[in-house]
Amino acid sequence: EAGVVQSPRYKIIEKKQPVAFWCNPISGHNTLYWYLQNLGQGPELLIRYENEEAVDDSQLPKDRFSAERLKGVDSTLKIQPAELGDSAVYLCASSSDHFTGELFFGEGSRLTVL
Amino acid sequence: AQSVTQPDIHITVSEGASLELRCNYSYGATPYLFWYVQSPGQGLQLLLKYFSGDTLVQGIKGFEAEFKRSQSSFNLRKPSVHWSDAAEYFCAVGDNTGNQFYFGTGTSLTVIP
Repeated sequence: EAGVVQSPRYKIIEKKQPVAFWCNPISGHNTLYWYLQNLGQGPELLIRYENEEAVDDSQLPKDRFSAERLKGVDSTLKIQPAELGDSAVYLCASSSDHFTGELFFGEGSRLTVL
Repeated sequence: AQSVTQPDIHITVSEGASLELRCNYSYGATPYLFWYVQSPGQGLQLLLKYFSGDTLVQGIKGFEAEFKRSQSSFNLRKPSVHWSDAAEYFCAVGDNTGNQFYFGTGTSLTVIP
């Protein structure tokens, strides 16, 4: 069984440029999470999807961040325009409907904003 | 407010020595507690979880953790550390639906020969 797949693994951009991250969850996992992980910190939730619906986006900075999960499978997280402080790792995770307490994480997308 | 505190930012142990990583939590309802491990350049992987019942839980890779409600703690232990255990360890607290997960800031483990 394939795990959570994220791309790109690394991205370097200049400030004010746009950037997008893609995530494909484990097949059959209807819940998808995007987390932000700053250096030396634990993951912080940005947005959580149940199928196509964003059920918790309270921590998503909506002035520059957006996300979508069309068709309830893969998801895209976008930043436009990027700022220096957005340099971090963006983690995607998924979980099954029958919650077992386990989030399955991808390897993350490391963003560097210059 | 819900929070997780991992007081040790970095720990160094010798291979074969025992390990204990500390975790304290603050949670308004019945806590569900987790330990995740993150190897360099990798995503997080669940080591173990506590929902209810026996307060000593066993996980993968020889890890165990003990829930102590009176101390609001969920410390992770391993009797004998292997070099491959070097990684970042995150404690997390949440509810029983997966809707809420709060991660600590992590403890970085270095294993020396």
